[in-house]
Amino acid sequence: EPEVTQTPSHQVTQMGQEVILRCVPISNHLYFYWYRQILGQKVEFLVSFYNNEISEKSEIFDDQFSVERPDGSNFTLKIRSTKLEDSAMYFCASMGDTSTYEQYFGPGTRLTVT
Amino acid sequence: AQSVTQLGSHVSVSEGALVLLRCNYSSSVPPYLFWYVQYPNQGLQLLLKYTTGATLVKGINGFEAEFKKSETSFHLTKPSAHMSDAAEYFCAVTQMNTGGFKTIFGAGTRLFVKA
Repeated sequence: EPEVTQTPSHQVTQMGQEVILRCVPISNHLYFYWYRQILGQKVEFLVSFYNNEISEKSEIFDDQFSVERPDGSNFTLKIRSTKLEDSAMYFCASMGDTSTYEQYFGPGTRLTVT
Repeated sequence: AQSVTQLGSHVSVSEGALVLLRCNYSSSVPPYLFWYVQYPNQGLQLLLKYTTGATLVKGINGFEAEFKKSETSFHLTKPSAHMSDAAEYFCAVTQMNTGGFKTIFGAGTRLFVKA
């Protein structure tokens, strides 16, 4: 069964450094998402991406964040200058079409900012 | 604006007992409703969803949920709990806005199953 994959599974970085989290969505899917989950808290929407542009973003997704689909396969989330409060689990999701509204989630990348 | 409220951050049941996890939502347009399960150190797995049609939906692992528009609820139930059901459960609502789709999650309910 096709699945969403994410790399790395765990990333440790120092405050102020740039990080790129990578996701490979399911191959024929058209809609892509990033969510984050701070330890012990709920899953929060960050951004949705369709047709090579951001379709919606939350208040969390400020200028420090960016997304890209560089090669038609990967979907990346970049944090330019990480802060301690960026430490969280980041989930990528993809959706095939709007007939099901069903998002498939990756296993997540745990980002630890020290 | 959309919101999702899950009543009870922790629910504890005995094995074999009924599981009831509550979810209420607010949405300005007809919502698409989902329940996800998260096992420790894993991602989110879809349990079931409501988009249109029959308001009682069945999902995996014996779970079901009923969409009640008048009560703006989408409670999750399972007749008989199993030890393997112990996990975190998230209710979510997806809404189509002019900018695209946005999914909002509830705070989650951790289910404990006692032997």
